Formats: sequence, structure tokens, C-alpha cells
Amino acid sequence: EAGVAQSPRYKIIEKRQSVAFWCNPISGHATLYWYQQILGQGPKLLIQFQNNGVVDDSQLPKDRFSAERLKGVDSTLKIQPAKLEDSAVYLCASSLGEGYQETQYFGPGTRLLVL
Amino acid sequence: AQSVTQLGSHVSVSEGALVLLRCNYSSSVPPYLFWYVQYPNQGLQLLLKYTTGATLVKGINGFEAEFKKSETSFHLTKPSAHMSDAAEYFCAVSDLSTNAGKSTFGDGTTLTVKP
Repeated sequence: EAGVAQSPRYKIIEKRQSVAFWCNPISGHATLYWYQQILGQGPKLLIQFQNNGVVDDSQLPKDRFSAERLKGVDSTLKIQPAKLEDSAVYLCASSLGEGYQETQYFGPGTRLLVL
Repeated sequence: AQSVTQLGSHVSVSEGALVLLRCNYSSSVPPYLFWYVQYPNQGLQLLLKYTTGATLVKGINGFEAEFKKSETSFHLTKPSAHMSDAAEYFCAVSDLSTNAGKSTFGDGTTLTVKP
């Protein structure tokens, strides 16, 4: 079974530029998550999708971040314009269902550096 | 609101020694608890999880954790460390008070194994 795929793996941009990340979850997984992991911290949930609907985006900085999950499969996360403090690893995860006991399967992440 | 505290951002043990990584949680309702491991440049991988039932949970790679409600703890242990156990470990909690199974992660503990 293929795991969660993410691209690109690394990205370096200058502040005020825009960037997009792509995620393809495990086939059949209804729930998709985007996390931001700043160096030295644990992952922080940015947005959670159930199929193609948003379940939780309470910690997504909506003035600069956007995400979509068209057709309930793969997803893109965009930052526009980027700030220095956006430098982090962006992790995508998926789970079979939506629930408190669900195991989340993580992709390798995209490491973003904003200069 | 739920929260997780991992005591000790860095733990160093000798190969063959006991591994003990500490996790304390705060939750207003019965929690679901998880331990994930993250190897360099990889995503997080589930080690074990507690949902209901037996409070001693066995996971992969010889790890286990015990849910102690009275101490609000879920410490991770392994009797004998291997060099391959060197990684970062994250404790996470979710519960029914949050929206759609949202998990909160601790800031992680980096485990170093000395030969």
C-alpha cells in the first residue's frame, strides 16, 4: 500500500513570494490533515478535511494560507504572501475515518525556508 | 482544552539501557493517547495508541506505554535501547471535547542512543 505522498520535499523562497504544496493521501482515506511543524515544536494542525469538506480550520491564518481538496482526494496548501515565520516543515496526514481513535498516516513533509 | 507536556526535550541513554520518555496530558474527558516516532527527514509513524480497555499498551519495535489516569500520564518505555531507536518521539492526545478528533501534539523528545 502506497503511503502519503507530498511534493516538493524542499522549497526555498523569498518573503512575500507565494508557494504551494501538494499532498496525495492513502487511497480510500476520507480524512486529510495539514500540519505545520516549526523547528523544536510538535505538529500544529492547520486544517482538516473530511472528504472535500473542511472540518476544522481554526488555526489556519486565512489572510495568507489557503487549502483545498478537490474531489475529496489530493489536496494543495498555498501560502501567499509568505513571511519569515512561515519557515517550517509542512506535514500532510490522512486517516481512514474521522474520529478520535483514528491513526493518522503522515507523509515525509515539505521543508520550507523563507528568506 | 486538551494539552500535552513532554518532560525533557532531550534524553540520552546507552545501548541496552532502559528507555523512558515522559508524557503528561490534560483533558477534561477521557482521552485517547498516542505515541509517534519521527526519524530524520521523515513523517511521523505511529508507535502505539490507547483508546479504551487495557491500560498497558504494546506497540511496535518493543515499545510500550501505560495509561495512568490518576497521574494523567502516558509514559513510553522500552527495556533495552537499540541504536536504531535514535529519533524524535511525540506524544499526542485527542478527546471528545474537540472537533472531529483533533489531536494535540507535545513538543517532542529527542532520543540519543550511545554505543
